[in-house]
Amino acid sequence: GNSVTQMEGPVTLSEEAFLTINCTYTATGYPSLFWYVQYPGEGLQLLLKATKADDKGSNKGFEATYRKETTSFHLEKGSVQVSDSAVYFCASGGQAGTALIFGKGTTLSVSS
Amino acid sequence: GAGVSQSPSNKVTEKGKDVELRCDPISGHTALYWYRQSLGQGLEFLIYFQGNSAPDKSGLPSDRFSAERTGGSVSTLTIQRTQQEDSAVYLCASSFRGALLFEQYFGPGTRLTVT
Repeated sequence: GNSVTQMEGPVTLSEEAFLTINCTYTATGYPSLFWYVQYPGEGLQLLLKATKADDKGSNKGFEATYRKETTSFHLEKGSVQVSDSAVYFCASGGQAGTALIFGKGTTLSVSS
Repeated sequence: GAGVSQSPSNKVTEKGKDVELRCDPISGHTALYWYRQSLGQGLEFLIYFQGNSAPDKSGLPSDRFSAERTGGSVSTLTIQRTQQEDSAVYLCASSFRGALLFEQYFGPGTRLTVT
């Protein structure tokens, strides 16, 4: 079945460091791909998405490119801030094209 | 405007008891989803409602779990004869339509603890 695998955390960085959180997927066909973020004490929020191969999603300085050849959707940010500390979830469209399949989440902690 | 709301925010129950969790989706959203977030396990799809269509129950882990959606709006997730492994955060999400092009908006979740 379809699945999403993302790097395990926690990831601990200093402010202004470069961030990469790896995400790979397995799926039949070409699912849509998403990154969700969960800030402390808050609900899940969509961070960015890509719906087809080679699409780049971007938001708040974060980027991720849909790579069909490597079945990956890695999240990157050039310069993280303390306020980026959160749990990040990679997700793909499910077989039914409706429910999302999530990775286990990666906790990011940024210190000043 | 109002987002997805869930109640209660926290629920502690004894093993073997039944519990009901409520979700109020965003007004006008026809699609509603339930997920479960267990420690170290990420988010797990449970059930999906789209308009008046039969729900997709493929993610329900056992027949102790059921869900209803009344009038195409409010949904209730019921867990009968709760077990300790049911302890998790139960998340509800809604979207304008049941297609991945439409963003799913998540509620704050209900933290269920089974003692």
